[in-house]
Amino acid sequence: EVQLLESGGGLVQPGGSLRLSCGASGFTFRNHAMSWVRQAPGKGLEWVSTISGSGDQTFYGDSVKGRFTISRDNSKNTVFLQMNSLKAGDTAVYFCAKDALRLGVMDVWGRGSTVTVSS
Amino acid sequence: EIVLTQSPATLSLSPGDRATLSCRASQIINTYLAWYQQKPGQAPRLLIYDESNRATGIPDRFSGSGSGTDFTLTISSLEPEDFAVYYCQQRHNWPWTFGQGTKVEIK
Repeated sequence: EVQLLESGGGLVQPGGSLRLSCGASGFTFRNHAMSWVRQAPGKGLEWVSTISGSGDQTFYGDSVKGRFTISRDNSKNTVFLQMNSLKAGDTAVYFCAKDALRLGVMDVWGRGSTVTVSS
Repeated sequence: EIVLTQSPATLSLSPGDRATLSCRASQIINTYLAWYQQKPGQAPRLLIYDESNRATGIPDRFSGSGSGTDFTLTISSLEPEDFAVYYCQQRHNWPWTFGQGTKVEIK
């Protein structure tokens, strides 16, 4: 069974940093791009970032570019999201998602990790 | 950035009704459009990708159509478990973008 499990969320002050992790199982991790999508309280979905299967290509949404960094460790089947210079507007549930072999089709999702940015 | 506009915002229907949800893109996205379903407190679930292809395990009452800039998700006969929020998403250009969602609620 394909599974994704996020961790690392929590409460952080504005300007602080946090690193999310997403552990994957049940599929050949290195063959798939991985994405992060977030959802602010009561709002819709916002794509955050995607990393290719090999890790050599990364893509970011404008709202996080320059502050967030996506990376992966294919030996540990894990993808990361390093979040720096956090703002109140970054408060959201962060979902990890597996891209199907068609890049941008997110066919499996984790349950999400909650990030709250507040003083 | 490609903007996706979904309509209506809310659809009030009864079990057994046909649901028609729309998604309009601000520019041509060919058929690079997906639909997701999300229930309260849950992660989104992929329903349809590349305009009309059902994801694994998705019942055939869900169908997608359209091309260019106008797309439709149709649920032929609503089951109780189908009442949820539905999002469209494009993968034609970076950044990937989602529509604002359509809530299908019980009338």
